[in-house]
Amino acid sequence: GNSVTQMEGPVTLSEEAFLTINCTYTATGYPSLFWYVQYPGEGLQLLLKATKADDKGSNKGFEATYRKETTSFHLEKGSVQVSDSAVYFCALTMPYSGGYQKVTFGTGTKLQVIP
Amino acid sequence: GAVVSQHPSWVICKSGTSVKIECRSLDFQATTMFWYRQFPKQSLMLMATSNEGSKATYEQGVEKDKFLINHASLTLSTLTVTSAHPEDSSFYICSARDSRTDTQYFGPGTRLTVL
Repeated sequence: GNSVTQMEGPVTLSEEAFLTINCTYTATGYPSLFWYVQYPGEGLQLLLKATKADDKGSNKGFEATYRKETTSFHLEKGSVQVSDSAVYFCALTMPYSGGYQKVTFGTGTKLQVIP
Repeated sequence: GAVVSQHPSWVICKSGTSVKIECRSLDFQATTMFWYRQFPKQSLMLMATSNEGSKATYEQGVEKDKFLINHASLTLSTLTVTSAHPEDSSFYICSARDSRTDTQYFGPGTRLTVL
């Protein structure tokens, strides 16, 4: 079946540090890939996505590139801020016969940014 | 952006009782809602897909009679954990699909503790 593996946290960084959160996936076929973010006390929000190989998703300074050859979708940000502290989930969807797409999530990585 | 609410945000109950969790889409209609369960440091696991006006579709291994899902309107789905036991203690998260944009929006989750 499909699965998503992401690095365990928590990740603690100083403000303005470079961030990488690794994510690899296993899927048959051609999934769409996502990063979701969950701020404390809130629901998951879509951060960025990529739907085909070599696509780069970007939002709020975060980027991730769909690498089919390494089955990876690593999340990066050049300079993190305290407000980026949250839990980040890597996820994928596959086409589903029911007309909508099921989401397979990774375990989540907690990021803590200290001033 | 679109908002999905859950109620209650946390609940503590005695073993053997039933607990109902509500999921509402606040500013869009959702013909499809999803219920997830998350254990500590683990992925969100899809439990069931809830379709307005029809029976829910349960994932393999999820007991239909234990986790009752009702999607009676385009903005409300409920999950009832019947005869709850301590092993049902978990974090339950719903999402609602906005059919206009084919985007899933997630609720903030409900923490269930069964004593």
